[in-house]
Amino acid sequence: KNEVEQSPQNLTAQEGEFITINCSYSVGISALHWLQQHPGGGIVSLFMLSSGKKKHGRLIATINIQEKHSSLHITASHPRDSAVYICAVAGNQFYFGTGTSLTVIP
Amino acid sequence: NAGVMQNPRHLVRRRGQEARLRCSPMKGHSHVYWYRQLPEEGLKFMVYLQKENIIDESGMPKERFSAEFPKEGPSILRIQQVVRGDSAAYFCASSLSTGLQETQYFGPGTRLLVL
Repeated sequence: KNEVEQSPQNLTAQEGEFITINCSYSVGISALHWLQQHPGGGIVSLFMLSSGKKKHGRLIATINIQEKHSSLHITASHPRDSAVYICAVAGNQFYFGTGTSLTVIP
Repeated sequence: NAGVMQNPRHLVRRRGQEARLRCSPMKGHSHVYWYRQLPEEGLKFMVYLQKENIIDESGMPKERFSAEFPKEGPSILRIQQVVRGDSAAYFCASSLSTGLQETQYFGPGTRLLVL
């Protein structure tokens, strides 16, 4: 069993839709990261959070420590949001989810 | 301020050769992490280094793999006697200070292909 589970694995949305990607983990953590990997392979760190909620532009990340669950929301999705979104948790080391592949159709 | 740099971006090796992957962290960052992404799989932690020290190498294969981060120069991930199963993308990340709860900045990766 993976320490980090993401859902869905694949997601297709129409431009403008509200998108939610979920992450559940089974280990004790000090922080949770959301990463974005573009088709070319480059990885960008979107959020690092240990409690509550963070917002950057159209992206919102929340975490519930008690339930060991985090969500990444994208409001007013756009084709340029198409990428793989990866949840990673920092326990005694980094554990990664297998990613959610998002495609936003114009 | 240049980001994390990795070179080469692509590396082709024949079985049995050595592969050396280099990572220059962001300016001022003294913490480096190496990750491997196998084809069709997620990222896996390999090793965490500070200048001249290996902090956590629990994700490194026991044989053929080694990493260093010298006082001067880039961090090096070295794979000896490569095999086809080593073909993967290897990403380096750096952070300003200690702890996995710090924001990490990723390099563009080195894609290793073993023939």
